[in-house]
Amino acid sequence: GENVEQHPSTLSVQEGDSAVIKCTYSDSASNYFPWYKQELGKRPQLIIDIRSNVGEKKDQRIAVTLNKTAKHFSLHITETQPEDSAVYFCASKAAGNKLTFGGGTRVLVKP
Amino acid sequence: EPEVTQTPSHQVTQMGQEVILRCVPISNHLYFYWYRQILGQKVEFLVSFYNNEISEKSEIFDDQFSVERPDGSNFTLKIRSTKLEDSAMYFCASSVEGLNQPQHFGDGTRLSIL
Repeated sequence: GENVEQHPSTLSVQEGDSAVIKCTYSDSASNYFPWYKQELGKRPQLIIDIRSNVGEKKDQRIAVTLNKTAKHFSLHITETQPEDSAVYFCASKAAGNKLTFGGGTRVLVKP
Repeated sequence: EPEVTQTPSHQVTQMGQEVILRCVPISNHLYFYWYRQILGQKVEFLVSFYNNEISEKSEIFDDQFSVERPDGSNFTLKIRSTKLEDSAMYFCASSVEGLNQPQHFGDGTRLSIL
């Protein structure tokens, strides 16, 4: 079955700097890649997603890139702010509707 | 903005007892899901449900687990005879019909088996 690896597991950045989180997946049939942000004690919240017919997608300070050949996708957060501090999860979906999640990245933005 | 709601937020149960976790998906959504996250581990898919039947399930979702949509709004996960290893955060999610639609998650139920 699908396997998703996510790196790094923790990421500490200075406010205003960029943060990059990388994920790799194993199933070449995967065609949908969402990213979730989870603040402590709260629900995973979808922040951006990308479909396999697109190589890059941007929403304000957040962007996601997808390399289908290499089977990896990345989340980029620019101009980080303290409220960006959270755990971020990547996921992938192949056939059906099952999401396979990465292990999560704890991001700490230091003021 | 409509949200997926889950109750209870925390459930403590003796090993061997049955537990029912409840979810109210977003009203116009037609696909429903349960995921779980054991402390310190990945979020894992359990089951998806569409048109009043299971559409997909993982190997975790064995005979001890069942799902039901008892009425037009609730979606439940039942664990018949809980084990210590069932202790986890259980998330319900829902999505609209269609390919590659976003799944929206609830706040989760923390299940603690003693």
